[in-house]
Amino acid sequence: GQQLNQSPQSMFIQEGEDVSMNCTSSSIFNTWLWYKQDPGEGPVLLIALYKAGELTSNGRLTAQFGITRKDSFLNISASIPSDVGIYFCAGQPMGTDKLIFGTGTRLQVFP
Amino acid sequence: GAGVSQSPSNKVTEKGKDVELRCDPISGHTALYWYRQSLGQGLEFLIYFQGNSAPDKSGLPSDRFSAERTGGSVSTLTIQRTQQEDSAVYLCASSSGTVLGKLFFGSGTQLSVL
Repeated sequence: GQQLNQSPQSMFIQEGEDVSMNCTSSSIFNTWLWYKQDPGEGPVLLIALYKAGELTSNGRLTAQFGITRKDSFLNISASIPSDVGIYFCAGQPMGTDKLIFGTGTRLQVFP
Repeated sequence: GAGVSQSPSNKVTEKGKDVELRCDPISGHTALYWYRQSLGQGLEFLIYFQGNSAPDKSGLPSDRFSAERTGGSVSTLTIQRTQQEDSAVYLCASSSGTVLGKLFFGSGTQLSVL
């Protein structure tokens, strides 16, 4: 099935560190979104981006919609233990209504 | 209900049997999605329903997979002649369609094919 390329695949960091992850596509996307999934649950929306170049923050989270429309970045500042989980990018390919998800970044935060 | 409800939460079946997975979306949501998440993997798009439009079935992996949405509400994902590689978590999500990309997910059905 179709999935976006997301990196890194996993991260192990200390509490208080900043985190960066990104997502790339071979085709142009209209919309980029970032979700977080806790164990045993479905993903929950964190940030939505609708315009190329858009930079949006949600608390300690900041995400950007790449100028080329083929990538997006998510940064988490001053990580805390509850940031642990799997982060997914998602995007809407041009000309479609469906939402395609990335392969996920598994984040572990150590005290 | 307040959220997206999926049933059963766990399903164990024998290879070759058929299974049906159910999704109750949030009331009033016009869009409904099915995704598959294999162990340690991302979410693989399966099928998308929007209102009365023909569904986007482009993600269904084989003709053993089918889904329907009755009355624009409840959806059933059917897998015929299950194989071991079908083992995964099947996630359903719904959206009002007013905020693009704002999907509300259920907790999923963990399918194990022995």
